[in-house]
Amino acid sequence: QQQVKQSPQSLIVQKGGISIINCAYENTAFDYFPWYQQFPGKGPALLIAIRPDVSEKKEGRFTISFNKSAKQFSLHIMDSQPGDSATYFCAASKARRDDMRFGAGTRLTVKP
Amino acid sequence: NAGVTQTPKFQVLKTGQSMTLQCAQDMNHEYMSWYRQDPGMGLRLIHYSVGAGITDQGEVPNGYNVSRSTTEDFPLRLLSAAPSQTSVYFCASQWGTGSTGELFFGEGSRLTVL
Repeated sequence: QQQVKQSPQSLIVQKGGISIINCAYENTAFDYFPWYQQFPGKGPALLIAIRPDVSEKKEGRFTISFNKSAKQFSLHIMDSQPGDSATYFCAASKARRDDMRFGAGTRLTVKP
Repeated sequence: NAGVTQTPKFQVLKTGQSMTLQCAQDMNHEYMSWYRQDPGMGLRLIHYSVGAGITDQGEVPNGYNVSRSTTEDFPLRLLSAAPSQTSVYFCASQWGTGSTGELFFGEGSRLTVL
């Protein structure tokens, strides 16, 4: 079963708009929640990450919101740009790197 | 900086053939791993290594072998390829073995098994 459920599968946003991608997890032992960004033909690259002791983390136009009680976290991209068009993966891990589980991915398209 | 280098980028195999996907990193990272990426499935861990001479199974290890004779190299072997192994394979490395920290990925190897 998929331990990290990600939605939507695909997302189209106009330039300047807000992109929101959601993830939900089941295992309460998860304690690290990164987001990876992947451009076509490239490997994923770490975008931003959060630990469960904070409810929000912001880096530039990218914000992670974390709701521990609901076991959900989301990525918000403010002022979305065509250069943000990529596939985004959420992930969750506990204790060790080999415990990390990825969501299915969201293909974001930002239209100019 | 080369980072994580994977070869080949593309490969077509026939069912039953064997091959090795190569992965090398020049960052002196202890942790290395192999993932497969399939549509709608995200990235799934195949095998990983926490240092030279140490390997272990991940989420989907069946049909794959690995070895780690040096810190830099972590090849993935398919002994008898099956169509179900058609996928994009990513090698990744990380400094240290803890649960946090950045995974550095290669650019991927696209494998098609006919």
